[in-house]
Amino acid sequence: DTEVTQTPKHLVMGMTNKKSLKCEQHMGHRAMYWYKQKAKKPPELMFVYSYEKLSINESVPSRFSPECPNSSLLNLHLHALQPEDSALYLCASSLRTGRDTQYFGPGTRLTVL
Amino acid sequence: DAKTTQPTSMDCAEGRAANLPCNHSTISGNEYVYWYRQIHSQGPQYIIHGLKNNETNEMASLIITEDRKSSTLILPHATLRDTAVYYCIVSPTTDKLIFGTGTRLQVFP
Repeated sequence: DTEVTQTPKHLVMGMTNKKSLKCEQHMGHRAMYWYKQKAKKPPELMFVYSYEKLSINESVPSRFSPECPNSSLLNLHLHALQPEDSALYLCASSLRTGRDTQYFGPGTRLTVL
Repeated sequence: DAKTTQPTSMDCAEGRAANLPCNHSTISGNEYVYWYRQIHSQGPQYIIHGLKNNETNEMASLIITEDRKSSTLILPHATLRDTAVYYCIVSPTTDKLIFGTGTRLQVFP
């Protein structure tokens, strides 16, 4: 099983809402990643978790709050987002950080009204 | 900032080889060349990577020049399903993959 799953597929939220994105993998990977991809742009790294601990935060605004409750699950909590945060949010995982291949999920398409 | 330069777009006839170039003239000795692709509305997919030797797997071949300043990804028999954006990335690790703008490959019948 080389699958990373993300839920929901689509999400529409208002600027005052609180919502969460979920990412799951059952490959025994200990590194997980969040990327943001705006339309017609390449993916941009947001966060990296290694062994359930946050190892990289690419200066992401605090309205995005990641959480890694266990080695299989990665959440991204969203609060007070702006319309410019509308994007495709991609999750990825790899066996470890370093040189192991990253496997990406299909993404959650987020629209902020 | 991305450390690679790729053509914006390329076309390839179905069944022919697709050769996608990438320039990485400032590559460091410990940096690998990674290739990913992203089919429309899907997450990126790993293709291949290499340090200095040419590499081949079931998907593609990677040819790296001797001075390591450029590389070519070869899809030997392109199909319509290979239509995607192809990203060439140089990095010492996979922790911080910095995607450039990539090459949009269109395979036509």
